Amino acid sequence: DIQMTQSPSSLSASVGDRVTITCRASQSITRYLNWYQFKPGKAPKLLIYAASSLQSGVPSRFSGSGSGTEFTLTISSLQPEDFATYYCQQSYSIPRTFGPGTKVDIK
Amino acid sequence: QVQLVQSGAEVKKPGATVKVSCKASGYTFTSYGISWVRQAPGQGLEWLGWISANNGNTNYAQKLQGRVTLTTDTSTSTAYMELRSLRSDDSAVYYCARATGGGSGIYLSYWGQGTLVTVSS
Repeated sequence: DIQMTQSPSSLSASVGDRVTITCRASQSITRYLNWYQFKPGKAPKLLIYAASSLQSGVPSRFSGSGSGTEFTLTISSLQPEDFATYYCQQSYSIPRTFGPGTKVDIK
Repeated sequence: QVQLVQSGAEVKKPGATVKVSCKASGYTFTSYGISWVRQAPGQGLEWLGWISANNGNTNYAQKLQGRVTLTTDTSTSTAYMELRSLRSDDSAVYYCARATGGGSGIYLSYWGQGTLVTVSS
């Protein structure tokens, strides 16, 4: 199975900050990497697919980059509604493993 | 708009079977697959499997193979996840999600609200 790691596991940030989350795969997954946002009590939301493609309806302050084994999710200017937990997921092979998550909370 | 509405919370005894439903609306059901993901309390996300709503093809996580079955009912646009021989470590929130693509590159574009399954004697 492909192992996914994320760093940091949590971070505290202020509204307006630029936030970067890193996701690493245990082997190359080319660009088959997705990012999701989880908030308590709400349906999870797809943000980015195929490493850098912005899902329809997702604000442009979210962006993704990377290929191979290292990927990043960037929020260019953190908004109050962005405080959540973010997960990466590889879609290169089965099982489609997730990273352990990065919790973004208010500083 | 696309919606996936899951069945309500379940409490089951060890060894029992649970069947969670996921009713889709707002899109052509047979044009997409459905994936299932779970999250145990305080834990990360675990991919359980995928089913094509077009032809019923499935992929399962090897860890659960033999205990989990994914099915769909195209007449009602509903997907089902059945998990047998429940154990305490199966206690989790179970999510269904609409899957775009079926092979490499698949992504989960819409999610259900989650169904809490508690396994306790």
